[in-house]
Amino acid sequence: SQQGEEDPQALSIQEGENATMNCSYKTSINNLQWYRQNSGRGLVHLILIRSNEREKHSGRLRVTLDTSKKSSSLLITASRAADTASYFCALNAGNNRKLIWGLGTSLAVNP
Amino acid sequence: DTAVSQTPKYLVTQMGNDKSIKCEQNLGHDTMYWYKQDSKKFLKIMFSYNNKELIINETVPNRFSPKSPDKAHLNLHINSLELGDSAVYFCASSQEPFEKLFFGSGTQLSVL
Repeated sequence: SQQGEEDPQALSIQEGENATMNCSYKTSINNLQWYRQNSGRGLVHLILIRSNEREKHSGRLRVTLDTSKKSSSLLITASRAADTASYFCALNAGNNRKLIWGLGTSLAVNP
Repeated sequence: DTAVSQTPKYLVTQMGNDKSIKCEQNLGHDTMYWYKQDSKKFLKIMFSYNNKELIINETVPNRFSPKSPDKAHLNLHINSLELGDSAVYFCASSQEPFEKLFFGSGTQLSVL
């Protein structure tokens, strides 16, 4: 399968702790995107990292990309209860005509 | 202002009925999509339009027909609904194809 595989499937942490989610893939990519989905809501784009980039930051989010290992990680620092959501990686691969989705990591941040 | 709005949010209907889901985006994006999310949260692309032209039509039953009257709208019509069509359907848009998608809030379709 070409889809991204998130790890872990589920993560439960306390408020204030950091959360790290990983995405591994098998195909060559143009870019990799992370999205958040709160329960019962649509997905929200968080960060896009291109294949020639190694790290990107946005607020409390840090994304790394290692194309040699075909993996990416999303780090959420100083987590809050409001970060409770599912997080998906999506691979933009091929000639830009597809976005390949993972199955998501379910993050629970306990107050 | 809602960037990508889809209606209705909930749709409960009987097998065999025909229904439509409407989607509008006010972001000026060129590309719009329909995705289906199953109970395991897997997202499957159904259709993608770029400037009103169909660019992706994944293997979905031909009971599903998208219609894009203009660049800001992409509606989904479903004929002869089946139990297996029950899912959450998301509309999305982006300026560049398959980059930084903006999603609607979803339509929960339940076929009884």
